[in-house]
Amino acid sequence: QVQLMESGGGVVQPGGSLRLSCAASGFTFSNYAMHWVRQAPGKGLEWVAVIEYDGSKTYYADSVKGRFTISRDNSKNTLYLQMNSLRAEDTALYYCAKVRGVQQISYYFDYWGLGDLLTVSS
Amino acid sequence: DIVVTQSPDSLAVSLGERATINCKSSQSVFFSSNNKNYLAWYQQKPGQPPKLLIYWASTRESGVPDRFSGSGSGTDFTLTISSLQAEDVAVYYCQQYYSTPPYSFGQGTKLEIK
Repeated sequence: QVQLMESGGGVVQPGGSLRLSCAASGFTFSNYAMHWVRQAPGKGLEWVAVIEYDGSKTYYADSVKGRFTISRDNSKNTLYLQMNSLRAEDTALYYCAKVRGVQQISYYFDYWGLGDLLTVSS
Repeated sequence: DIVVTQSPDSLAVSLGERATINCKSSQSVFFSSNNKNYLAWYQQKPGQPPKLLIYWASTRESGVPDRFSGSGSGTDFTLTISSLQAEDVAVYYCQQYYSTPPYSFGQGTKLEIK
């Protein structure tokens, strides 16, 4: 069965950096675009970034553009989110999510990880 | 960028009664070449990740009870729960995934039992 497991979260000081990982299993990872979505404590869902199945294209929310980088290693079935210049408002539970459509980016999310918490605080 | 707005922000419905949540996008998410609306609904219960309920605006995900239905086209969409059950208490989100990102979510609607 499909499994997505985020890791790498923790407490970081403002201005610091952190890299999240999402280990995927149960499907052919290299065939699917992957997203990061975050949820601040007690708040709604915010789309963060997406990467095409082959890594050829990436897109970002304005709130993270220039600070976050999404990447993937299809040989390791792993998705990454490199987060730099972190701010207090980046504090959130970060989810990775898979799309349903093979080699498609414009598709709904059929599986989500359990999320990993990033706290940005001094 | 497409902005997605849900209404109401919260809703209290009696068990067995109908619950209706609305979702409006700032521009059409209907793609005429394939006749599809690029709109999904998710359910999120406390401490859990979101769960896909409805995609293409009206297609129910496998395993989702048939009391859940989606409707609408273009910019206006509705999620209906025909007979509310206790296990339906959750926050519901709509999301557009039209064309190129960003793929925005609505702000969420909290559904409770009256």
